[in-house]
Parts: sequence; structure tokens; C-alpha cells
Amino acid sequence: AQKVTQAQTEISVVEKEDVTLDCVYETRDTTYYLFWYKQPPSGELVFLIRRNSFDEQNEISGRYSWNFQKSTSSFNFTITASQVVDSAVYFCALSEAGRDDKIIFGKGTRLHILP
Amino acid sequence: DSGVTQTPKHLITATGQRVTLRCSPRSGDLSVYWYQQSLDQGLQFLIQYYNGEERAKGNILERFSAQQFPDLHSELNLSSLELGDSALYFCASSQGHLSSYNEQFFGPGTRLTVL
Repeated sequence: AQKVTQAQTEISVVEKEDVTLDCVYETRDTTYYLFWYKQPPSGELVFLIRRNSFDEQNEISGRYSWNFQKSTSSFNFTITASQVVDSAVYFCALSEAGRDDKIIFGKGTRLHILP
Repeated sequence: DSGVTQTPKHLITATGQRVTLRCSPRSGDLSVYWYQQSLDQGLQFLIQYYNGEERAKGNILERFSAQQFPDLHSELNLSSLELGDSALYFCASSQGHLSSYNEQFFGPGTRLTVL
């Protein structure tokens, strides 16, 4: 069965600090997809990234970076030089090939960036 | 603005009633997804439609149904409502399947309150 665990329920850091959000997943499939979503205080959901299980290259997008490690079944998300606008709930998610776009979400990590 | 619209924004109704939530995807997007976010269950995938056809099904109750119309807008019908159905319902759209390197764009959500 597939499962996504975000062990950090809530994190607070001071602005400009780097912060890493952890995501550990479980799946029996060899082909699967991993996602990160952001939900700011305003409530809307924002798609951040999708990663294919065959592509273990780390990805960087501005201050955001993602570290995918199949050996530890982890897909961690790092924000560098955090800003107050990064305050949000972040969800990690997983879908398995053959199950189309049925996505299983983690419970989310609430990130507070303190000024 | 993501380009995905959802109506209504808020809905208050009583137990046992039936409601319809509407979603218009971004222009050109063929896939529509429905998600439910509640305090108890977290964020859950309900159902996906692709170009009018049901593509993937998640934890959608039998009391719930959905469809995607020829103009690609979608409706989520919730019937015999219970207190536990109170939640934020998100619609999202994408050009195609998420396994094909597509992004997802979310609507602002419909907040359903069942009294």
C-alpha cells in the first residue's frame, strides 16, 4: 500500500534561515510520481513540483530545491534563505503508475517563517 | 489567478440535503480533479476526469458523484449530506495526465458547511 509520511507537523524558523521539509514515502511500484504542494494562509493550493521515480536528479528552482533519494524513499524539500511569504502548509504526495492520477497526500507540514 | 474557477465559494446546507459544486478548468485543460480537505481526513483525492471520461477514482463516497461535460466543466454532486462532509472542496485542472510532466492548477475551493 502506498503511504506518505511528513513527520514534521509544524516548523518555525527565522527569516533568511534555510529549512528542510521531510517526506518519506512507501510504495511497491517501481514507477511512481512524487509531488509537493503549497497551501498559503489564504487557502489556495499551489502545485510546486512533480518528480518521476526514474529521475533521481535533484531539482532547483530559485530558492526551492528538492532532494529525491530512492535508497531512503525520501523526497525532501529545502527552502534557502526563507522569507515570510514562504509561510504555508506544504504537502508531499505520491501517485503510482497504473493508478493514473490517484494521489495520496501526506498530512502536511505547517511552516512559520518569523520576521 | 490560476484560471480555474469554482462556484460557489461558500455553501451552507443542512444534513440530508444535496448540493452541486461546479468547476471550470483552465482553457485548454482536459483533466479535471476533485479533492476534499477536512480537518479529520486531511487532503484527499476524490476523482479525476479526462476529456469527459472518468480516469481515476479515489476515496469518493457512494453518496458523491461527478461528471465532466462536453465543454469540459465539471460538477461534483454530494447527496444525503452528513456533518462529516463539511470540508473545503478543491478542483484542479491540467493539460493531461500528471504522469506526463504536466502542472496542475487549482481553483480557490468551495467551502461546504453542513449543519
